[in-house]
Amino acid sequence: ETGVTQSPTHLIKTRGQQVTLRCSSQSGHNTVSWYQQALGQGPQFIFQYYREEENGRGNFPPRFSGLQFPNYSSELNVNALELDDSALYLCASSITGVRETQYFGPGTRLLVL
Amino acid sequence: DAKTTQPPSMDCAEGRAANLPCNHSTISGNEYVYWYRQIHSQGPQYIIHGLKNNETNEMASLIITEDRKSSTLILPHATLRDTAVYYCIETSYDKVIFGPGTSLSVIP
Repeated sequence: ETGVTQSPTHLIKTRGQQVTLRCSSQSGHNTVSWYQQALGQGPQFIFQYYREEENGRGNFPPRFSGLQFPNYSSELNVNALELDDSALYLCASSITGVRETQYFGPGTRLLVL
Repeated sequence: DAKTTQPPSMDCAEGRAANLPCNHSTISGNEYVYWYRQIHSQGPQYIIHGLKNNETNEMASLIITEDRKSSTLILPHATLRDTAVYYCIETSYDKVIFGPGTSLSVIP
């Protein structure tokens, strides 16, 4: 059974740029959630995708957007990067939603300069 | 804002039981309490969850009070590898809220 994978592991961008982060869900899971974790804080829920539709969102602006593909892999897109977007971005998959057990990937560390 | 509250840090001697408390006074009747932990620089790892009954698995035990307003995660024989940040979270149907968690240090 393949676990949740994320790419890239590290990324450096400059303010104003756009970034795309990728996630492959655990086999058999059709829900993916994305989290932002700033240094020293707990993960903050960005949104959840279920069967290719956004199904729940935290307090993040529209410049944070996502996609889920038919194979249940997912992308997180962030436009107009700001310095405060520097964080660890975590992807988690579950069978049918965030009320189920979630399996997290190792994360992508994004640095915005 | 986090709906759960936990002590920011705790120490535990290696080999002893670690008891990590969590208050979730606003939990509704059909919301589960989940516990995850995060070892430095890794993604969070699922530990255990429960609704109203006490639960046990190979990693830990979960004790939930009868009024469901608080719970305690028990690591029966803590090892150095249990040093991590432990999160108690509530889930609604469409979102998850993590608090800052408890940083557990297991001391030799």
